[in-house]
Amino acid sequence: EIVLTQFPATLSLTPGERATLSCRASQSVGTYLAWYQQKPGQTPRLLIYDVSNRATGIPVRFSGSGFGTDFTLTINSLEPEDFATYFCHQRSNWPPHFGGGTKVEIK
Amino acid sequence: EVQLVESGGGLTQPGGSLTLSCAASGFIFSSYSLNWVRQAPGKGPEWLAYISTSSYTIHHADSVRGRFTISRDNARNSLYLQMNSLRAEDTARYYCVRGGAGSTIGWFDTWGQGIVVTVSS
Repeated sequence: EIVLTQFPATLSLTPGERATLSCRASQSVGTYLAWYQQKPGQTPRLLIYDVSNRATGIPVRFSGSGFGTDFTLTINSLEPEDFATYFCHQRSNWPPHFGGGTKVEIK
Repeated sequence: EVQLVESGGGLTQPGGSLTLSCAASGFIFSSYSLNWVRQAPGKGPEWLAYISTSSYTIHHADSVRGRFTISRDNARNSLYLQMNSLRAEDTARYYCVRGGAGSTIGWFDTWGQGIVVTVSS
């Protein structure tokens, strides 16, 4: 089973700053990695798939990078609506697995 | 509009059973694989089960294998999760999630609103 570890657990930033979130896999997942955003009381929303492809309707300030075991989600110039929890997700091997999440909060 | 609507949750005692249903609309149901994912309060999502378009391929997570069973009815555009021998640790919000076209698991691009299952005496 491939386990995903996200860090930091919490990121305290102000609107306009850049957010850098990390996700590390216990073994290589190649490019089979996605990112989801979840706001309180809402369902997860697919942001990025296949490491770096934005899902439909996702603003260009969201970008993903990485390969193998180390991945990054970058949010350039945080907007108020970006303060949320972000999860990474791998589907390289069974079972698919989600990371524990990084909460981006207003400083 | 692509939509998934779960039903069938609620409160049950340890050892009890529940069947969750998911009604789909807005897309060709039989062309997509489907999943159940749950999320306990304050935790990340946990994948539970996958079913391919024709039900030929099914996978369950170790945590629920032998207790939960995923199934689908393409004629009714519906997905199901039969849950038996429920435990307190099964308490969570359960989501019906669309996967990829064809029989690939794909990415989870559409989620239902979820339904709460509480297991408590």
